[in-house]
Amino acid sequence: AQSVTQLDSQVPVFEEAPVELRCNYSSSVSVYLFWYVQYPNQGLQLLLKYLSGSTLVESINGFEAEFNKSQTSFHLRKPSVHISDTAEYFCAASNFGNEKLTFGTGTRLTIIP
Amino acid sequence: NAGVTQTPKFRVLKTGQSMTLLCAQDMNHEYMYWYRQDPGMGLRLIHYSVGEGTTAKGEVPDGYNVSRLKKQNFLLGLESAAPSQTSVYFCASSRGFNSPLHFGNGTRLTVT
Repeated sequence: AQSVTQLDSQVPVFEEAPVELRCNYSSSVSVYLFWYVQYPNQGLQLLLKYLSGSTLVESINGFEAEFNKSQTSFHLRKPSVHISDTAEYFCAASNFGNEKLTFGTGTRLTIIP
Repeated sequence: NAGVTQTPKFRVLKTGQSMTLLCAQDMNHEYMYWYRQDPGMGLRLIHYSVGEGTTAKGEVPDGYNVSRLKKQNFLLGLESAAPSQTSVYFCASSRGFNSPLHFGNGTRLTVT
């Protein structure tokens, strides 16, 4: 079964500084990877996904993540954060043909003005 | 287009009481899921369904039951609530495996 590790439970970052949220998964065999974002008192929303093809995927609000098979990682990055990026971010993974998605424990991103 | 709607939004139960959480989706999705979210533990899958009339156990199914009598609805039942079931419950739906999940806004349940 797939497992997902997010080592950083909280990440404080100054506004306009870069950020990286780390995610590692357990199995590279036909893995599909996702980042979801949860704003306060809301459900999760898809931020970006890797299914196949280019290992670098981007979201519409400036985030990007790179699928690294050798390091079994899918870290999320943004070159310059904004106050509105304050949220909890969840990495998730599944394997081909498996209808179940496994989530990491989440990283709370706090932007310092 | 409402997406995924969960009712109720909040509920307080006493130990031993029962209740049903309702999830409704209007996107004609085949797959539906129930997760619980607890601090420091992320989201854990309780039960899921890959189509009308089907259900399957997830990671933490004990103490819960589900039903999917209609494609658009997925019900989560607690027959005898326990304080360990205090949590935020999220319903989600998707078109199929490896398709993005669409989440409701959650139900905050407290069992005293």
